[in-house]
Amino acid sequence: LAKTTQPISMDSYEGQEVNITCSHNNIATNDYITWYQQFPSQGPRFIIQGYKTKVTNEVASLFIPADRKSSTLSLPRVSLSDTAVYYCLALGGSYIPTFGRGTSLIVHP
Amino acid sequence: GAVVSQHPSWVICKSGTSVKIECRSLDFQATTMFWYRQFPKQSLMLMATSNEGSKATYEQGVEKDKFLINHASLTLSTLTVTSAHPEDSSFYICSARDPGNTGELFFGEGSRLTVL
Repeated sequence: LAKTTQPISMDSYEGQEVNITCSHNNIATNDYITWYQQFPSQGPRFIIQGYKTKVTNEVASLFIPADRKSSTLSLPRVSLSDTAVYYCLALGGSYIPTFGRGTSLIVHP
Repeated sequence: GAVVSQHPSWVICKSGTSVKIECRSLDFQATTMFWYRQFPKQSLMLMATSNEGSKATYEQGVEKDKFLINHASLTLSTLTVTSAHPEDSSFYICSARDPGNTGELFFGEGSRLTVL
């Protein structure tokens, strides 16, 4: 299972774009890079998943370079409600999913 | 997306009693489910992997006799905290794996256990 490394915390302001980078040097060929958002006392919520290049959905974009050893979650124009912990996981079909420490994002007014 | 439902969302019990938490996959069959425990301001800690029709696989340091896991059907896994003590108070979260190749996890809402 690819171990992931993220910054422990980040601060931003409303309306700014936030980029959270995740390092996964040992990612396996069949791993998908998956990001989750967690609010206090709630289960993690799926944000986005990708294999390579760029993926975009209604809430975020995910950039994955060709070597796939890192990925960047981009949140456009954050609001106060985006204050949460964000987790990056490299998930494959048969792997046991373990969580790293995640990134605590605080959005200020 | 797929839905995983967890019940109860919170429970308070007396020390020495047992508490059961249910995790259901509502619109897909989950051969594998995972149980996590989370303390305040910490990450999710994997407790065990629940496999339908077989014994659960526990992570190192997790007492299997303390945390009983049953995965009797493709849509239901249960976690029973036996003889609960205050130190068992925590947030318990279950998840189920997407049967496809992406390995995506779907999470329940979590269950807050408080042992008095």
